[in-house]
Amino acid sequence: GAVVSQHPSWVICKSGTSVKIECRSLDFQATTMFWYRQFPKQSLMLMATSNEGSKATYEQGVEKDKFLINHASLTLSTLTVTSAHPEDSSFYICSARDDEFGYNEQFFGPGTRLTVL
Amino acid sequence: GQNIDQPTEMTATEGAIVQINCTYQTSGFNGLFWYQQHAGEAPTFLSYNVLDGLEEKGRFSSFLSRSKGYSYLLLKELQMKDSASYLCAGMDSNYQLIWGAGTKLIIKP
Repeated sequence: GAVVSQHPSWVICKSGTSVKIECRSLDFQATTMFWYRQFPKQSLMLMATSNEGSKATYEQGVEKDKFLINHASLTLSTLTVTSAHPEDSSFYICSARDDEFGYNEQFFGPGTRLTVL
Repeated sequence: GQNIDQPTEMTATEGAIVQINCTYQTSGFNGLFWYQQHAGEAPTFLSYNVLDGLEEKGRFSSFLSRSKGYSYLLLKELQMKDSASYLCAGMDSNYQLIWGAGTKLIIKP
């Protein structure tokens, strides 16, 4: 089956530092990947849609200069949280669409728990 | 606007049946998804409905009525491991998922 990995699984950093999270589709190509954020006891919130070879599409209210997305290959998208602050602490989850099977399913990575001190 | 509504929390007994309802409003419609999410983990896919009717997959079934903007997830022979949040998501005309807040299902022995 389609597998998506994320690295790291969890990270603790100091306020003001930047953190990079990687999302990889392991056995399929993904032109489109998605980045979500989930706060405790809340639903998934789509932050941005990442498209290979082009700029990401950010949802309203998400700062593109703070959450940098790079989708440099068909199997890798990265999210960099720049100048992280405690309010950025959250569970970040990526998902990917399998190019071969089209739009009907998103495969999720295991998530990255970010804690900013 | 786009919206997904589902109950916040439900409680059921091990071995019983539970139905989790979901109503949706999306700009265009390309299907209704159900995902299971255990605490601290990412969602896992359960079902996808794009046509009216019932889709059965083992102990889990999902139903869709497009005219009513309504879906439900039916879980039979409940097991303790079924305790999780169940997320309903509608796919709009741009193939983007609109997520509900999730229903926390508590299973009691």
